[in-house]
Amino acid sequence: ILNVEQSPQSLHVQEGDSTNFTCSFPSSNFYALHWYRWETAKSPEALFVMTLNGDEKKKGRISATLNTKEGYSYLYIKGSQPEDSATYLCAFVIIQGAQKLVFGQGTRLTINP
Amino acid sequence: KAGVTQTPRYLIKTRGQQVTLSCSPISGHRSVSWYQQTPGQGLQFLFEYFSETQRNKGNFPGRFSGRQFSNSRSEMNVSTLELGDSALYLCASSFMGRQYGYTFGSGTRLTVV
Repeated sequence: ILNVEQSPQSLHVQEGDSTNFTCSFPSSNFYALHWYRWETAKSPEALFVMTLNGDEKKKGRISATLNTKEGYSYLYIKGSQPEDSATYLCAFVIIQGAQKLVFGQGTRLTINP
Repeated sequence: KAGVTQTPRYLIKTRGQQVTLSCSPISGHRSVSWYQQTPGQGLQFLFEYFSETQRNKGNFPGRFSGRQFSNSRSEMNVSTLELGDSALYLCASSFMGRQYGYTFGSGTRLTVV
């Protein structure tokens, strides 16, 4: 059974603070890792697609790093804002005839004003 | 551009009935995949279609089936509904290739009573 673990499960952060959370995945047969942001009552939105060991991606105040050899990815949010409140999902991409995503349980982030 | 459209948004069905959910992908996306989200299980892969062919299927009973049409629109069918089928069903479309993320629809919330 392939496990994708995210920690912590939930996080409360003061507005303006920076935060980070972790996605752990199998270190063998790496193909790609996705990060998604899922706001309540909306669709999951792709943040990053990471494919190479050492990848660092940035989108505004949000960035992500990837270490495929040890099987983890970090998501960082700098200067948290209320609109950052969402569930952040990582998805490990595997190939079984075709691509499929194996999701972690998510990190539920709440920004306190 | 139009996003991934799922219909209906909400559905209430009785145990034993069957249901069909619809997904229209983003124009140009030929890969369509379906995911089920339940509170305890997170997002679980159901199946993936490309060019009208099912290329991958998740660990779900045969009551769950799907198909894809020549215009890439996809339908998912669940027969003999059980209470445990109550969930949010998400559809996602993408281009092929490891560098592409998925675009998700808003989902269909199915309640089985």
